[in-house]
Amino acid sequence: ETVLTQSPGTLSLSPGERASLSCRASQSVSSNYLAWYQQKPGQAPRLLIYGASSRAPGIPARFSGSGSGTDFTLTISRLEPEDFAVYYCQQSVGSPPYTFGQGTKLEIK
Amino acid sequence: QVQLVESGGGVVQPGTSLRLSCAVSGFTFSTYAIHWVRQAPGKGLEWVALISYDGSNKYYADSVKGRFTISRDNSKNTLYLQMNRLRGEDTAVYYCARSFGGGYNNGMDVWGQGTTVTVSS
Repeated sequence: ETVLTQSPGTLSLSPGERASLSCRASQSVSSNYLAWYQQKPGQAPRLLIYGASSRAPGIPARFSGSGSGTDFTLTISRLEPEDFAVYYCQQSVGSPPYTFGQGTKLEIK
Repeated sequence: QVQLVESGGGVVQPGTSLRLSCAVSGFTFSTYAIHWVRQAPGKGLEWVALISYDGSNKYYADSVKGRFTISRDNSKNTLYLQMNRLRGEDTAVYYCARSFGGGYNNGMDVWGQGTTVTVSS
């Protein structure tokens, strides 16, 4: 089973700043089958990025994904107030089980 | 409007059973694989199970294998999760989620609002 480790656990930034969230896999995520989600309190997760770098439909351009192999990054270029939430990465290589990272909480500084 | 609506959650005792449902509307249910994902109180997301578009392939997390069964009725646009021998660690919000693009590998693009399962004596 592929273990995903996200860092940092909590990231404190101000609106307008740039955020970089990391997701490291215990083994290579082939074909970049790596997705990112945003979750706000009391809400279901929302798909942001799939295939490591493709934005899901309707996702603003300030969200971008990059990386390959075992190291992946979600970048939010300029934080808006609505971006403060918890972010998860998830791998879906081959057949399940598919795993999530433990999450990074992005909070207002 | 694309929608998934879970139901069937509740408070049950350890060792008992519960069946969750996920009613789908707004898209062709029979062409999409669907997942169950859960979230324990204050914790992160845990993938639980996946069923292929036609129900021929089913996959489970090790934590639920042998106790939970995923199924679907494409004529009723409904997904199910039969949960047996429930444990305290199964306490969570359970979400059904559509597999993006129909296959398995591109994440989950549409989620229900979740249904809460509490296992407690």
